[in-house]
Amino acid sequence: QQKVQQSPESLSVPEGGMASLNCTSSDRNFQYFWWYRQHSGEGPKALMSIFSDGDKKEGRFTAHLNKASLHVSLHIRDSQPSDSALYFCAADYYAQGLTFGLGTRVSVFP
Amino acid sequence: GPKVLQIPSHQIIDMGQMVTLNCDPVSNHLYFYWYKQILGQQMEFLVNFYNGKVMEKSKLFKDQFSVERPDGSYFTLKIQPTALEDSAVYFCASSGTVNNQAPLFGEGTRLSVL
Repeated sequence: QQKVQQSPESLSVPEGGMASLNCTSSDRNFQYFWWYRQHSGEGPKALMSIFSDGDKKEGRFTAHLNKASLHVSLHIRDSQPSDSALYFCAADYYAQGLTFGLGTRVSVFP
Repeated sequence: GPKVLQIPSHQIIDMGQMVTLNCDPVSNHLYFYWYKQILGQQMEFLVNFYNGKVMEKSKLFKDQFSVERPDGSYFTLKIQPTALEDSAVYFCASSGTVNNQAPLFGEGTRLSVL
């Protein structure tokens, strides 16, 4: 079983719409969650981290963490074509290197 | 902004040969990582490195793999000998500290083992 599970596998969103991505850890011993975005042919780039319960907003991106349920989500408001990419949730389990989920592929259509 | 540079961007070699992937991390970073990605899918942790030593390694980090950063130069991943299943994109990352600093990734080296 994946230690970090992401859903859905893929997501199509109309331009200007909201994309919602989910991630769950099977291990309670994490420090932080990171969201990374990877465009085709490039390396992943960090979007934001979250480690406290509740919401964290950065521009059009909002992350939400519920430590009790080990669940973190990412919401992309006003989706743009440039948001089309592979999104990874990654958990930091205390100096073990980041453990990535399988990713959610987001496609924004006009 | 700061960048992690990976050289070369693409390497093609015959199975059984040795290959060295080079990474030029951000100059003041202290922690270095290698990840493996197959077919644009999951990023899989291989190893992390600090103060000249391997700190953690995964099951994917086979005996044929080794890492080093001699004299603060390139952080390298060596595979000797290579196998067909080593074909993947290898990403190097570096960070200043372990806590709450996102590892910064390079653009990757695509390794094709024939």
